[in-house]
Order: sequence, then structure tokens, then C-alpha cells
Amino acid sequence: SAVISQKPSRDICQRGTSLTIQCQVDSQVTMMFWYRQQPGQSLTLIATANQGSEATYESGFVIDKFPISRPNLTFSTLTVSNMSPEDSSIYLCSVTGSGFNTEAFFGQGTRLTVV
Amino acid sequence: SQKIEQNSEALNIQEGKTATLTCNYTNYSPAYLQWYRQDPGRGPVFLLLIRENEKEKRKERLKVTFDTTLKQSLFHITASQPADSATYLCALGSSNTGKLIFGQGTTLQVKP
Repeated sequence: SAVISQKPSRDICQRGTSLTIQCQVDSQVTMMFWYRQQPGQSLTLIATANQGSEATYESGFVIDKFPISRPNLTFSTLTVSNMSPEDSSIYLCSVTGSGFNTEAFFGQGTRLTVV
Repeated sequence: SQKIEQNSEALNIQEGKTATLTCNYTNYSPAYLQWYRQDPGRGPVFLLLIRENEKEKRKERLKVTFDTTLKQSLFHITASQPADSATYLCALGSSNTGKLIFGQGTTLQVKP
């Protein structure tokens, strides 16, 4: 299993500003995933972050808006840039166990409100 | 495009009864399917995984079935308890990417 610490747990931000969310894992993992969960909605994958390479973004998400860093095998950050109220959401980081078809572990999420 | 559908309406049942949640999908051939529990203000927690070549999986009071012909999974909680009240998400996985596609979830309310 993996324990994921995500910071901050919540924040209220002004539109036009940026917020960086940190994700720390208690073990080394190859792939980390960033999801967005809008109110009342399911999880939508933003990007996959591999250590040592650029993140791979899903359709509808771009690096300029959601830059991701992955400096080592236990840490990643997601930045939400130039925020607007539509970015208000819960952002979650996730890792999977060894091998692909195993369970995913999630952080507790960052609840972002943009005003 | 890929689509996953779960019961959109909340499921209300009496304590002790069996809760059955449905997950249907289209335009996808997953290598495996997973069920997660999510409580308010928390990230999802893994419950069960079933692979494409498996028909049924059990874990304590939980049972999941997987019918790749019908493109459907059923998730059962037997002898339900108020503590089982939560939102339950199904997720489809690809064996070569590790990415998961989630359904919108079904909220279960177990009344004492």
C-alpha cells in the first residue's frame, strides 16, 4: 500500500492567481496521476506524471494551464494557473501499486475555491 | 467515445438488506474493473479489483461480478450497515497504461 500526503487540503484563491498543490508518497513509485473532481462529478484524469520525463496530458488539459513537476520518485506538484471560478474543484493525486492492474491509492484531495 | 454509467440516483436501503450497484460501460474493453468507496471530503479508497477473465470476486461482505459480454459489473454489499453509507465508484483500467476511467458514482444510504 501507499500513503499519500497532499497539501494544501483546501484553499480559497482569487481569480487570475495560481496555486501549487503538493503530493508526497511514502514510497517510490514510477507513475503518479493527477485527477480533478468537480462538484457532484466523478474523477477526470488530468495527466500522468513520470519521473524524469514530461507529464502526459489528457484531452482537454494543457501544460500551460496545469504545469506538473516530478522531481523524484516520491513527490509531484500540480499548479493550477491563471485560475477562474470554473477551476473550483477537488484535485487529487494518485499512485498505483506495482504493476498496472492493481489498486490505486489517493491523497485526501485539495478543495479549491476560486472567487 | 468511452462511457461509464452508474446509477445516478441515490440508493436508499434498510440496514441488513443487500445493496446492489450497477456499472455499465460502452466503447471500451478494460483489462480490469475496480470498485472504490468515497466518503465526503476524502479521496477514493480501493475495495475490489476484478480482471476481464474473472466472473466473480468476493471480499467479506462485498461481491463483484464482471460480465464482459454485457459490459456490466454488479457490486453487492450484503448485510448492509449504516457505516456502508458512502459514494461508490467503478473504474475501468487498461493493462498497458495504468490509467483509470471512473464512473460518476452511486451514493448509497443505509438506514438503521
